[in-house]
Amino acid sequence: GQNIDQPTEMTATEGAIVQINCTYQTSGFNGLFWYQQHAGEAPTFLSYNVLDGLEEKGRFSSFLSRSKGYSYLLLKELQMKDSASYLCAAMDSNYQLIWGAGTKLIIKP
Amino acid sequence: DAGITQSPRYKITETGRQVTLMCHQTWSHSYMFWYRQDLGHGLRLIYYSAAADITDKGEVPDGYVVSRSKTENFPLTLESATRSQTSVYFCASSELRQGGGSPLHFGNGTRLTVT
Repeated sequence: GQNIDQPTEMTATEGAIVQINCTYQTSGFNGLFWYQQHAGEAPTFLSYNVLDGLEEKGRFSSFLSRSKGYSYLLLKELQMKDSASYLCAAMDSNYQLIWGAGTKLIIKP
Repeated sequence: DAGITQSPRYKITETGRQVTLMCHQTWSHSYMFWYRQDLGHGLRLIYYSAAADITDKGEVPDGYVVSRSKTENFPLTLESATRSQTSVYFCASSELRQGGGSPLHFGNGTRLTVT
């Protein structure tokens, strides 16, 4: 079956760095997305990876290893506004998105 | 303003009633989607549409009906609401069916409670 695993909750300190991991098993692979979702709000797009390696966008970076079925989202210089859930979603060979349950990130001062 | 809007934001209904959730987008995106989001689950696809008059089932379509007579509108109807349909419903659109990394743009969601 198809599956996405990511930690349920993580806690980090303001100004620090945090890495949120995601492992996936899909029938075929057409890329991996990360979305941010603040409580009570809609998910918003953060990043897309389809090739192995690191994609950097300001304080946020996303990494993909296709051979390991693994991705991570790296958040640097954490700010209180980064407190949110982070959703990992892998696209299978039929362009269907398989979603993880999300990682709730709590930032402490 | 360009975007994707859902209505209502909150809805309480009784078991057995018919409920319609509205979704409207101004980008002229071809693809539109309906998801439900429940605690402990990832987003689950209910229905999607590739264009006007073309719809297809997603992972959890039972008890739901959709239509798409115009590109910009994609209403979701619960024909006879059940308590298990209490959830947050998100409508989304994308330019492509996410090939090449075309992201989903989500509406603000409808929080539906079935009593």
